[in-house]
Parts: sequence; structure tokens; C-alpha cells
Amino acid sequence: QQQVKQSPQSLIVQKGGIPIINCAYENTAFDYFPWYQQFPGKGPALLIAIRPDVSEKKEGRFTISFNKSAKQFSLHIMDSQPGDSATYFCAASKRTGANNLFFGTGTRLTVIP
Amino acid sequence: ETGVTQSPTHLIKTRGQQVTLRCSSQSGHNTVSWYQQALGQGPQFIFQYYREEENGRGNFPPRFSGLQFPNYSSELNVNALELDDSALYLCASSQTASTEAFFGQGTRLTVV
Repeated sequence: QQQVKQSPQSLIVQKGGIPIINCAYENTAFDYFPWYQQFPGKGPALLIAIRPDVSEKKEGRFTISFNKSAKQFSLHIMDSQPGDSATYFCAASKRTGANNLFFGTGTRLTVIP
Repeated sequence: ETGVTQSPTHLIKTRGQQVTLRCSSQSGHNTVSWYQQALGQGPQFIFQYYREEENGRGNFPPRFSGLQFPNYSSELNVNALELDDSALYLCASSQTASTEAFFGQGTRLTVV
């Protein structure tokens, strides 16, 4: 059972475009929603995270939009660059106790120069 | 750099063998979590150790076991290896059991 559903599976954009990756969850006990970036042969690196008490969070060119009632959240990458080409994972967890992260299946982003 | 280091980086084992993977947590972190990432999939939680005690476990059989040492480094042991155990094994450390997790580069295990 996939607790966090992620789409699309892959995405190709031109340099400067704004790729959007979407995630949905069912468990209302989740209260922490991070995004990770992973390059081939490397471990995931934390990009940005949000709590459900805010609807949007920006860090540099990365923005998370959060819709608590729809149980959906998304990642926007502004002014995308070829160096952003990587696989992006959304995740969710309950922050109390073991922070077991439930990951989405990943989105492979390619930014064309 | 996250400061989480894993060894070895690559490993090939035969079905039925046992394997031990190692993780050194980032300085100041007392919690270590282990994840399995199959090719083309997201990481799946195996278990977490907090101050040397298991503090949560995912849907993995008992042949997956672990340890955390007083310096908060950790081991993941897998007995009776199966072909489906081939994956990237990731270790993540955090300051406590409920703060941000930072991942190492992983150990690529191939079972033949």
C-alpha cells in the first residue's frame, strides 16, 4: 500500500521552466512533509520541508504548496537549471516518535539547456 | 556534505549468505534510521535506532536486524540473503527521533 502517491513519474522541461511535482497522502496523522533530491549513485538530500499549519513555503528557487483539506502537496522549481536534473521524492511522516518517512515513488526531472 | 558515512559502497553476496552494513551518524546525532531503496523506487523504512534501542520498525522480516553503538554508529545485518534483497541501503541520521533526517550515500548490495 503506497501511503504517498507521487506524479508524474518523469518530467522534461526547458531551462527556465517551472516543473511541478505533485503528491497526495491519506493518513491524516502525517504532520511533516519533506522533499528530497537524489542524484545517481548518491543518497537523497533534504531540499525543503513543510508542516501542515502553513500553505506555502519558499526556500530559494524551491516552493512547497500545501493543501491540507485535499491532502495534497506539490513542489515547484522556479527558473529551473540543467543542474536541477535529478530524481525528486516527496515524503511524509508523523514527527512524534520514530520519524519513519513514507516516500513517494519519485519523479525523474530532466532540464534541457 | 551531510556527514553521514556508510561502508562499504558496493557489495556482492551470494543468496543465502549474511551481510553487515555500517553507518556512522553525523556528529551530534543520536538517531539512525535504515531504508531499502529498490531500483526505480522510493526508499522504504526498515527500522530506527534511538540511543541504542530499536524505536520503530517497518514491514521487513526478522532476518533484517540492527544495532546501535554507544557512539551512535549503527549496523544493519541481513541473514539468509534473497535475490530481492538487492537494493541500495540507505542510512539516515537525525539529532533526535523526530527531527530532520540526513542520508548517507548508501551501500549498493547485489545478491546473486
